[in-house]
Amino acid sequence: ETGVTQTPRHLVMGMTNKKSLKCEQHLGHNAMYWYKQSAKKPLELMFVYSLEERVENNSVPSRFSPECPNSSHLFLHLHTLQPEDSALYLCASSQAESSLSNTIYFGEGSWLTVV
Amino acid sequence: GEDVEQSLFLSVREGDSSVINCTYTDSSSTYLYWYKQEPGAGLQLLTYIFSNMDMKQDQRLTVLLNKKDKHLSLRIADTQTGDSAIYFCAASGGSYIPTFGRGTSLIVHP
Repeated sequence: ETGVTQTPRHLVMGMTNKKSLKCEQHLGHNAMYWYKQSAKKPLELMFVYSLEERVENNSVPSRFSPECPNSSHLFLHLHTLQPEDSALYLCASSQAESSLSNTIYFGEGSWLTVV
Repeated sequence: GEDVEQSLFLSVREGDSSVINCTYTDSSSTYLYWYKQEPGAGLQLLTYIFSNMDMKQDQRLTVLLNKKDKHLSLRIADTQTGDSAIYFCAASGGSYIPTFGRGTSLIVHP
């Protein structure tokens, strides 16, 4: 059991569907992250919400839309995805105070399959 | 930006020691981390070391840091089949967001 909870753990969706991934952290952290993990590829940072600032990887397609209503909750809205978007989506959180210490804690991930 | 490199595979016999190596490029990295990912799961923080330390030991795990060479290693003593997983090295340099390596798949065979 981790302090970062992701739902659903598994999701199968068609290319025309709209779905959302949800993440909740119970660690009192002030930063939350979405990572994408595909087979045989490096871990890819997609979005960061930290201290009310949003940082995004410019290579992430607009069919992925993050939402962070408060410091404990993070969503990833999915719309008209492609089969190559099938991957493990990892949510994480940290207490981002400075570069001195920023230990990231991950959730168990949401397995997404796009058919 | 920071670049973190690690070998992709390591195979060891049960009971032997495993050593997983990692190199990083940013000499200002202050925290270095090791994460473990078991099949179908997220990344679990194993241990971390602050840059003013050379070594950190935690039960079967020993982390060695050579700051001059920007080299980090994770030694697992008496490796068990349950240690089979992917191990990620990460470094926190100038940015507060750590950079992760590609992960080393550790295979433990009887």
